Amino acid sequence: GEDVEQSLFLSVREGDSSVINCTYTDSSSTYLYWYKQEPGAGLQLLTYIFSNMDMKQDQRLTVLLNKKDKHLSLRIADTQTGDSAIYFCAERAPPSYNTDKLIFGTGTRLQVFP
Amino acid sequence: ETGVTQTPRHLVMGMTNKKSLKCEQHLGHNAMYWYKQSAKKPLELMFVYNFKEQTENNSVPSRFSPECPNSSHLFLHLHTLQPEDSALYLCASSPTSGRYNEQFFGPGTRLTVL
Repeated sequence: GEDVEQSLFLSVREGDSSVINCTYTDSSSTYLYWYKQEPGAGLQLLTYIFSNMDMKQDQRLTVLLNKKDKHLSLRIADTQTGDSAIYFCAERAPPSYNTDKLIFGTGTRLQVFP
Repeated sequence: ETGVTQTPRHLVMGMTNKKSLKCEQHLGHNAMYWYKQSAKKPLELMFVYNFKEQTENNSVPSRFSPECPNSSHLFLHLHTLQPEDSALYLCASSPTSGRYNEQFFGPGTRLTVL
């Protein structure tokens, strides 16, 4: 089935680490993505991971993939107030005619307080 | 600035009005997408166009009518909408081929149907 699940809210103190979790159901997904949406803006790709990897690090961002449990997480180290946004997990469905469908979760609203 | 622009940014319309949303991308992409973003719901893919041809219609009611005159422009024509159609409508584009299918999003049009 096509269902990507995320918790709706996360609140962290500035300087702490944030961990946003996601579960997906399509085991044939090849790529998994994290998008960020700031207020009044569209979605911006933060990072992605290929399904044959279990970890990817990019500066303050660490993505962990547990393919057995279909669990994806995004860790943000040293969270800043500028990280406050909605974070969307997405999986790439099996490709259809020359396009690739992304299936998004509900988004997790991250609030960073001083 | 992602290279995808949307106009208008805000739109209020009555149920009997006819209006159009416009999306333009300056990235040389060949695939364009319309998404609907409602509060506390996953991002819903509405339509996909590839090389000006519609390749996906995700069971969208006929009161939403897309048009793609060329690979750079995408319209969403609206008529006799319902209040539950109020949402943020996001346009995105992507190359037709790509290792990880990054979709570039516009800022969205906030639509309110009275």
